Amino acid sequence: EVQLVESGGDLVQPGQSLRLSCVTSGFDFGDSAMAWVRQAPGQGLEWVGLITKKAFGEKTAYAASVRGRFTFSRDDSKTTAYLQMNSLRTEDTAVYYCARDWDWGLVYWGQGTLVTVSS
Amino acid sequence: QSALTQPASVSGSPGQSITISCTGTNSDVGGYNYVSWYQHHPGKAPKLMIYKVNNRPSGVSNRFSGSKSGNTASLTISGLQAEDEADYYCNSYTGINTYVFGTGTRVTVL
Repeated sequence: EVQLVESGGDLVQPGQSLRLSCVTSGFDFGDSAMAWVRQAPGQGLEWVGLITKKAFGEKTAYAASVRGRFTFSRDDSKTTAYLQMNSLRTEDTAVYYCARDWDWGLVYWGQGTLVTVSS
Repeated sequence: QSALTQPASVSGSPGQSITISCTGTNSDVGGYNYVSWYQHHPGKAPKLMIYKVNNRPSGVSNRFSGSKSGNTASLTISGLQAEDEADYYCNSYTGINTYVFGTGTRVTVL
């Protein structure tokens, strides 16, 4: 059974940092690019970015709205993807999803973790 | 990168067919055959319905089909059913490992 479980969401103040984790099982994590998507309250889905597999150099790509503040990483030995979020803003408040990127589609998704940025 | 444009809402009666459009530019929808569609029931994880314009993942009903013409992609749901009521989002590759979602469409089954 495929599972992706996000964790690390919390209530933080503007300017603070947070690290999200996405623990996976049931598929070949090492052969997968991993993407992050968020949904702000009452808004649509927003693509945050992705990290390619090790064989492709673990390259990262970011949406303009988070570039320079967010960083993706991965630990294939733990089949876990990470999202480090720095300099958080109120507009970063959202449910954050991780997903497996496969054949130009996000085929498996987690249930999401809520990040709230508020003073 | 601006979000792709979708109608805010589409509705239909059970058994009918509906089509959701997704309009982009030559830099996204029109430039690549890498359009995907997602069904999202509030509070649940989104679900991939179509990838690479017109491919269905295993387990997705053949009532769902995708197409593309120029800068506009479309998702058609035929034989509309109550469980199809959800939000639908298109997504397109925009180059160099980047993607963009559409604005989303709420499908209502009357």
